[in-house]
Amino acid sequence: ETGVTQSPTHLIKTRGQQVTLRCSSQSGHNTVSWYQQALGQGPQFIFQYYREEENGRGNFPPRFSGLQFPNYSSELNVNALELDDSALYLCASSSPGQGMSEQFFGPGTRLTVL
Amino acid sequence: AQTVTQSQPEMSVQEAETVTLSCTYDTSENNYYLFWYKQPPSRQMILVIRQEAYKQQNATENRFSVNFQKAAKSFSLKISDSQLGDTAMYFCAFMVPGVGSGAGSYQLTFGKGTKLSVIP
Repeated sequence: ETGVTQSPTHLIKTRGQQVTLRCSSQSGHNTVSWYQQALGQGPQFIFQYYREEENGRGNFPPRFSGLQFPNYSSELNVNALELDDSALYLCASSSPGQGMSEQFFGPGTRLTVL
Repeated sequence: AQTVTQSQPEMSVQEAETVTLSCTYDTSENNYYLFWYKQPPSRQMILVIRQEAYKQQNATENRFSVNFQKAAKSFSLKISDSQLGDTAMYFCAFMVPGVGSGAGSYQLTFGKGTKLSVIP
């Protein structure tokens, strides 16, 4: 069974640029959630995708957007990067249809905005 | 809105000893789930233990157990026989199934974490 993978591992961007982060869900999981973890903080929910549709969103501006593909992999896009977007971005996959939804996390992408 | 509070930013414990991490939460919901996640320095978040609010019996997983006090909205984690590999950030998290802008949303709300160091 393949776990959740994310790419890239690290990324450095400058303010105003755009970035795309990628996530492959665990085999058999149809739901992907994205979280932002600032340094020294707990993860904050960005949004969730279920069967290619957005299925819940946290308190993040519209410049944070996402996609889910037919194979349930997902992308997180951030436009007009700001310094405060520097964080660890975590992807988690789950399958709500299988009872209580345990979320399996990937290793994260560390984004630095200069 | 749901909130999760972890009042201990850092803790340390001697190897083989027992330590308890505290967590309180606030919600008006009656059906929810609680979790403890571990995030080692390698940063991959790993589920340690989970508790369904409708179950009165406290969850246990090997050396890890919880003390779930629903009326007090408290959910502490006890680690027995601490090992060096337990050194990590520990996050308490809360989930209300189906709450969110879309039906079936399962979003986790995390506390700020407790940094646990196990000392040889």
